[in-house]
Amino acid sequence: DAGVIQSPRHEVTEMGQEVTLRCKPISGHDYLFWYRQTMMRGLELLIYFNNNVPIDDSGMPEDRFSAKMPNASFSTLKIQPSEPRDSAVYFCASSRPSGNTIYFGEGSWLTVV
Amino acid sequence: DAKTTQPTSMDCAEGRAANLPCNHSTISGNEYVYWYRQIHSQGPQYIIHGLKNNETNEMASLIITEDRKSSTLILPHATLRDTAVYYCIVRVAAHQAGTALIFGKGTTLSVSS
Repeated sequence: DAGVIQSPRHEVTEMGQEVTLRCKPISGHDYLFWYRQTMMRGLELLIYFNNNVPIDDSGMPEDRFSAKMPNASFSTLKIQPSEPRDSAVYFCASSRPSGNTIYFGEGSWLTVV
Repeated sequence: DAKTTQPTSMDCAEGRAANLPCNHSTISGNEYVYWYRQIHSQGPQYIIHGLKNNETNEMASLIITEDRKSSTLILPHATLRDTAVYYCIVRVAAHQAGTALIFGKGTTLSVSS
């Protein structure tokens, strides 16, 4: 079982550049979540999808952030333009519709300089 | 906002039981208690969940008070690999409503030899 797969694992980019984070959920999972973790704010929910449709995006910090799920096996989180305060670990997670367990990926470590 | 209160940190000797408390005095009748943990640099990992009965699995036991206002996660024989941040979360079960996990600050458990 492959688990939730995220890429890239680590990225360093310059302020103002576009950043795209990718996620492949576990096959058969209908829910997909994006979280952000920083020392100051802890783990924050950004957005989640059900059957590829965004359900709650109230955690998306501002218009620079956007997330898409074009199909059941792929999602992207895009930051444009990136800023140093976006430096964080971004986690993707997925779960089955009737599942009580949410499975997390290993995270994408983003540094914006 | 997180609906739970946990101690910031706890220590435990290797081989001893680790008892991690959690207060959730405003829990609703349809909300479950979930426990996740996050080992350094990894994504959060599901441990156990329960509604009102005590639960046990291969990782831990969950004791929920009769009034459901608090609970305790028990790691019966803590090892060094159990050093992590432990999160207590309340939410409705996935099959009732697709909801995400909202993380608080958790308890940092340090297991030492």
